[in-house]
Amino acid sequence: NAGVTQTPKFRVLKTGQSMTLLCAQDMNHEYMYWYRQDPGMGLRLIHYSVGEGTTAKGEVPDGYNVSRLKKQNFLLGLESAAPSQTSVYFCASSYAQSTYNYGYTFGSGTRLTVV
Amino acid sequence: AQKVTQAQTEISVVEKEDVTLDCVYETRDTTYYLFWYKQPPSGELVFLIRRNSFDEQNEISGRYSWNFQKSTSSFNFTITASQVVDSAVYFCALTRNAGNMLTFGGGTRLMVKP
Repeated sequence: NAGVTQTPKFRVLKTGQSMTLLCAQDMNHEYMYWYRQDPGMGLRLIHYSVGEGTTAKGEVPDGYNVSRLKKQNFLLGLESAAPSQTSVYFCASSYAQSTYNYGYTFGSGTRLTVV
Repeated sequence: AQKVTQAQTEISVVEKEDVTLDCVYETRDTTYYLFWYKQPPSGELVFLIRRNSFDEQNEISGRYSWNFQKSTSSFNFTITASQVVDSAVYFCALTRNAGNMLTFGGGTRLMVKP
């Protein structure tokens, strides 16, 4: 049982570079999410998806794009990285039905530094 | 809009002390779910508990207990006889319904000293 797998785990980017973070889940969850974690601010939602082919903006979507071409994968893209995007990124997934809302399964995080 | 406030940014206790982490939330929904997560130094997020808005029973799990009070919009977390392994950042979170995004508090860093 892999759960939610994020790749890469660490990355250093130069300002202006682009990259894609990959999230994969093997639990057949309908919903997937991308959060960023910054000191003292908890986790803030960037984008989320309620199903294959659908995405929506969260609380802090600027500078990011996402895609969900397959149910099990949710990609987060940075087109032109900025130092303000230095953060730890977490992917999560969950079922849609309330009876299964026992919690969200989180990946182990990606630590991104933009210099 | 939903909001979760964890006013205690950092707490330091000595091993075996009891400690309570506060969580106050704001929501206009009548149905909602509250969570606590633990983030140890290794960085992963560990699910601790979920509580439905219509279930105000307190929960106890070993040394952990949770007090949910709708009247004060609080969902506090108590660790009894704390241990060094309890040192972590603890997050309280709120969601409107199944599959909706979680709104997190800012977290409380707990340091348990031997």
